[in-house]
Amino acid sequence: GESVGLHLPTLSVQEGDNSIINCAYSNSASDYFIWYKQESGKGPQFIIDIRSNMDKRQGQRVTVLLNKTVKHLSLQIAATQPGDSAVYFCAENPPNSGYALNFGKGTSLLVTP
Amino acid sequence: KAGVTQTPRYLIKTRGQQVTLSCSPISGHRSVSWYQQTPGQGLQFLFEYFSETQRNKGNFPGRFSGRQFSNSRSEMNVSTLELGDSALYLCASSLASGHGELFFGEGSRLTVL
Repeated sequence: GESVGLHLPTLSVQEGDNSIINCAYSNSASDYFIWYKQESGKGPQFIIDIRSNMDKRQGQRVTVLLNKTVKHLSLQIAATQPGDSAVYFCAENPPNSGYALNFGKGTSLLVTP
Repeated sequence: KAGVTQTPRYLIKTRGQQVTLSCSPISGHRSVSWYQQTPGQGLQFLFEYFSETQRNKGNFPGRFSGRQFSNSRSEMNVSTLELGDSALYLCASSLASGHGELFFGEGSRLTVL
């Protein structure tokens, strides 16, 4: 079946560097994508979303890029901080599926001093 | 404003038993979704309720069921527990059904022995 996957299971970056987390999706009909952050012992927390009619969206220190041609998402975190250490999930929302999100397996981001 | 509240946070059951998990959404939120999170399968959609109606259902056996009450609170039930049902069960709420920010609770961690 179709699934959302992540290219890298773990990513280690130095504090202050920029981080890039990648995600491949396979349902070309998906029209909404979300990035979540999950810290240990907590539920996922919404970071940023993007609709399929956009290719870039910026938030506070985060940017999501969407390339529909190759079905690829990325999350860029600027000036990564120790508090950014967590597992990051991308999720795709096929049309007419309500909140039946397809989540990727997750990328663990470790920020070292 | 209180977040999504899930009870119990931790529970241990034995095979063959049944379990009921409860979720209180953020005040004013009418949509409640449930997800199962395991190390092997990641986050998988169980079901979504909106105004007491099940809007979507994931690919889980009939042992998994849920409901939503008129005050938007939701419960999910798993009958005839199996070892593989050990997981973190996450509830999420939102204002409406589909597209938009999902707010997750911290989950109920179920261990089946």
